[in-house]
Amino acid sequence: SQQGEEDPQALSIQEGENATMNCSYKTSINNLQWYRQNSGRGLVHLILIRSNEREKHSGRLRVTLDTSKKSSSLLITASRAADTASYFCATDAQGAQKLVFGQGTRLTINP
Amino acid sequence: SAVISQKPSRDICQRGTSLTIQCQVDSQVTMMFWYRQQPGQSLTLIATANQGSEATYESGFVIDKFPISRPNLTFSTLTVSNMSPEDSSIYLCSVGVGGANEKLFFGSGTQLSVL
Repeated sequence: SQQGEEDPQALSIQEGENATMNCSYKTSINNLQWYRQNSGRGLVHLILIRSNEREKHSGRLRVTLDTSKKSSSLLITASRAADTASYFCATDAQGAQKLVFGQGTRLTINP
Repeated sequence: SAVISQKPSRDICQRGTSLTIQCQVDSQVTMMFWYRQQPGQSLTLIATANQGSEATYESGFVIDKFPISRPNLTFSTLTVSNMSPEDSSIYLCSVGVGGANEKLFFGSGTQLSVL
């Protein structure tokens, strides 16, 4: 069964704006990860946040984790056309190495 | 990190036939994972392939339908057998890296259409 529920399912913004995507999960986790998928191809790992961390940054990416609410958010600042992709959260709820992916958010950046 | 070469990148197949997807990794890895992504959906784990042992299949997936080979630590194949239109999906192989194999690296995917 799917662990992660992502919201919104689709997001369309203007280039330069910030994009925020949310992920909720159901069971305890050790870590939560975000991946990007361009045009139905292979996924690319973006960032991993552990259950004892609340916030993490990587370049224009900022991830937060609230284990009390079982939720995470991914913020992309100063968006670019190249950020257009689907973004998935993934948790290790079924144990290490067996990631369970959310439904994904389709992000479109309009020039 | 790991670089994974997956092929074919896409194929159109007839109902009842089989397709074998190959993944080659540029380094030795213990575990390889095969995922399916149905149109507009998320990824679902099909099975975990360990070198030297039988693959471990997730609920809803069986070896007769998705036989997997793992002859060495850098290579694996997934066969989609006796295909039907419902098998039309993207199939992805991946490997874990990092201390606990936490992060996954993915092949570029195989887009399969069954007529």
